[in-house]
Amino acid sequence: EVQLLESGGRLVRPGGSLTLSCAASGFTFRSYAMSWVRQPPGKGLEWVSAISDSGTSTQSADSVKGRFTISRDNSKNTLYLHMNSLRVEDTAVYYCAKADTFILSTLVDVWGKGTTVIVSS
Amino acid sequence: EVVLTQSPDFQSVTPKERVTITCRASQGIGSSLHWYQQKPGQSPKLLIKYGSQSFSGVPSRFSGSGSGTDFTLTINGLEPEDAATYYCHQTGSLPLTFGGGTKVEIK
Repeated sequence: EVQLLESGGRLVRPGGSLTLSCAASGFTFRSYAMSWVRQPPGKGLEWVSAISDSGTSTQSADSVKGRFTISRDNSKNTLYLHMNSLRVEDTAVYYCAKADTFILSTLVDVWGKGTTVIVSS
Repeated sequence: EVVLTQSPDFQSVTPKERVTITCRASQGIGSSLHWYQQKPGQSPKLLIKYGSQSFSGVPSRFSGSGSGTDFTLTINGLEPEDAATYYCHQTGSLPLTFGGGTKVEIK
């Protein structure tokens, strides 16, 4: 069974930094692209970043470009989201999601349960 | 950026009724449109991929159609457990985008 377990979410001050992790199991992690998608409280879904199977290609939404970096460690079956210069509007549940192929711009077919990031002074 | 416009925003439906949700893309995306279901307090689940392909394990009452700019999700015979918010999502071009969601309530 495919499992994705996010961690690292917490309360952080505006301007602060945070790294989210996603531990993957139940599939060949190195063969699939991965994504982060977020959901602000009471709002809809927003794609954040995606990374190819090898980690050599990444893409991000304009709203986080230059502040967030997606990365992965295929030896540890783990996906990361490094978040800098956090803003109040980054407050959301952050979901880790598995793509259905190695291509980063493809649909995601399995989602984790999410981890909550709150940016507040 | 491809903007996805869903309608309606909210629908209150009696069990066993048919539900139709539409998703319009601001530019053509071929069949790169997918549908997710999100129940309160849960993460989204994939229902339909590439416009009309059912994802593994999804009940047959869920179906999708469309291509280009106009897409439809249909639930034939709504069940009480179908109360949820439904999102369309395009992977035809970057940045990837989602529709605003349609909340389906059971009367």
